[in-house]
Amino acid sequence: NAGVTQTPKFQVLKTGQSMTLQCAQDMNHNSMYWYRQDPGMGLRLIYYSASEGTTDKGEVPNGYNVSRLNKREFSLRLESAAPSQTSVYFCASAPLAGGSTDTQYFGPGTRLTVL
Amino acid sequence: AQSVTQLDSHVSVSEGTPVLLRCNYSSSYSPSLFWYVQHPNKGLQLLLKYTSAATLVKGINGFEAEFKKSETSFHLTKPSAHMSDAAEYFCVVTLFSGGYNKLIFGAGTRLAVHP
Repeated sequence: NAGVTQTPKFQVLKTGQSMTLQCAQDMNHNSMYWYRQDPGMGLRLIYYSASEGTTDKGEVPNGYNVSRLNKREFSLRLESAAPSQTSVYFCASAPLAGGSTDTQYFGPGTRLTVL
Repeated sequence: AQSVTQLDSHVSVSEGTPVLLRCNYSSSYSPSLFWYVQHPNKGLQLLLKYTSAATLVKGINGFEAEFKKSETSFHLTKPSAHMSDAAEYFCVVTLFSGGYNKLIFGAGTRLAVHP
């Protein structure tokens, strides 16, 4: 049981390049999330998907797009990378479509550097 | 509005001594509260959660936290630190809004454990 997996683990981009971060979960969870982590700021929500077929913006969605490909997979795309998007990106999933007691399970993260 | 303040950005203890990581929260209603741990270059792992049942919550690896409504606090403690406890710890409050469970992270406390 792999839980939440993310690829790639590391990536270096030049300004203006595009890329897609992949996330998959094998726990049959309904909701999935993308966060970014910057020093001294905890994690901030970029986008989320409450259930298959739905996506919504979080706190910091500008410069990103997402696709909930199926129940297992939730990808994050940077169309034109900027240095301000240098960060560590975490994907998470949760069993239900919401609920304040729902525990989120996190992947190992992708370290992205934009030069 | 929900918010979380972790009162110490860094805490340093000796192995075998008690650990106290402090967290205050602000919430307009009875919150759900979590502590997550992040070891270097790893994803986030749930330590424990409070969901309006017992105010003293026991988690993994000997950690526990006490919910004190009168003090709006949810401090994390461990009687005896181990070298493997060295990590970053995040206090999290949840807000269920717009159909999803939003996690609001504190800025984190980095715990160092010295021999």
